[in-house]
Amino acid sequence: EAGVTQSPTHLIKTRGQQATLRCSPISGHTSVYWYQQALGLGLQFLLWYDEGEERNRGNFPPRFSGRQFPNYSSELNVNALELEDSALYLCASSRDGQSRTGELFFGEGSRLTVL
Amino acid sequence: AQTVTQSQPEMSVQEAETVTLSCTYDTSESDYYLFWYKQPPSRQMILVIRQEAYKQQNATENRFSVNFQKAAKSFSLKISDSQLGDAAMYFCAYRSEKYGGATNKLIFGTGTLLAVQP
Repeated sequence: EAGVTQSPTHLIKTRGQQATLRCSPISGHTSVYWYQQALGLGLQFLLWYDEGEERNRGNFPPRFSGRQFPNYSSELNVNALELEDSALYLCASSRDGQSRTGELFFGEGSRLTVL
Repeated sequence: AQTVTQSQPEMSVQEAETVTLSCTYDTSESDYYLFWYKQPPSRQMILVIRQEAYKQQNATENRFSVNFQKAAKSFSLKISDSQLGDAAMYFCAYRSEKYGGATNKLIFGTGTLLAVQP
């Protein structure tokens, strides 16, 4: 069974540009979560999608947005990139938003570098 | 709001020895999950062990065990017979058992970088 897959692995952008990151959850999982892992700051919750809807959002500005497609894959968009957006962006999935096990399964992340 | 604190930014252990990583959390809820995740240099977060708050018995997974002290809001991870492959960043995480909404996310600590010396 394929795990959570993310693309691209690495992405280099300049300030003011837009970045798009993609995530495919494990087959059968309907919930997708996005986390930002900046150096020294641990993992910060960005967004949660379930059944195509945005269910919750972390404390990030509106230029961080995303969506979930009918096949449950997801896209994270970051507009007007700033230097501090440089980070590892991790996607995770779970069977559904009400999973009793509580566990999230993570992808390997997309490293975004803003110059 | 719930918070998770890992007070040890770095730890080191000799191969075959035992090491304990500390984690404390703050919550007003009674039902929740606690996790330890491992992030090796490959970057992928891997679940090490899970504890349901309603269970008094400490979780164990092979060489990994936890010391869950609910009243003290403490959740430490013990790694026995440490191996070189255990070297990684370890994150403690909390998740509410309530369904949906703001409670569905995992809340992470800042991590402990574990080095294993041969």
